[in-house]
Amino acid sequence: LAKTTQPISMDSYEGQEVNITCSHNNIATNDYITWYQQFPSQGPRFIIQGYKTKVTNEVASLFIPADRKSSTLSLPRVSLSDTAVYYCLVGEILSNYQLIWGAGTKLIIKP
Amino acid sequence: EAGVVQSPRYKIIEKKQPVAFWCNPISGHNTLYWYLQNLGQGPELLIRYENEEAVDDSQLPKDRFSAERLKGVDSTLKIQPAELGDSAVYLCASSSPLDRFGNEQFFGPGTRLTVL
Repeated sequence: LAKTTQPISMDSYEGQEVNITCSHNNIATNDYITWYQQFPSQGPRFIIQGYKTKVTNEVASLFIPADRKSSTLSLPRVSLSDTAVYYCLVGEILSNYQLIWGAGTKLIIKP
Repeated sequence: EAGVVQSPRYKIIEKKQPVAFWCNPISGHNTLYWYLQNLGQGPELLIRYENEEAVDDSQLPKDRFSAERLKGVDSTLKIQPAELGDSAVYLCASSSPLDRFGNEQFFGPGTRLTVL
């Protein structure tokens, strides 16, 4: 099972673009990359998922280079409400839900 | 559409006492998960159900933890007896049968357990 490495914490300011990079050097061919967001006293919430290149939805973009050994979650124009913990996970699409959660990145947005 | 419902939200018990947590998943979601989350860490899977069948309980400490999902809808997780180290947040999640590999899981708010 692939293991991920993320920064423990990051700070940014309202209105800025925030990029959180996740390293997954041992990613396997069948692995997808998934990002979740978690606010205090709430369960995690799915943000975005991708396999390669770039994926964009209404909330974020996910950039995955060709070697897939890392990925970057991009949050455009953050606000104070984006302060949360962000988890990067890799999961084998053929191994039935084997998602391994790390400690995540605590993102703090300042006014 | 209602999300995943969990109760209670908070529970304080003394060690060696039993405790139970209840979860009602999103309607139509046949896959249900129970996770344990310690402070500052990511969730750890305890058990996964497909309908009423527990298909992955390899991480469930079966000497004191048990779970059931009798009708393939709501589920109960029980600890008996509770130990101090069981203090954590217990999360329930569900995923749609259209999501073949469970990558998009919908989580409830969790139950914060404190064992004194």
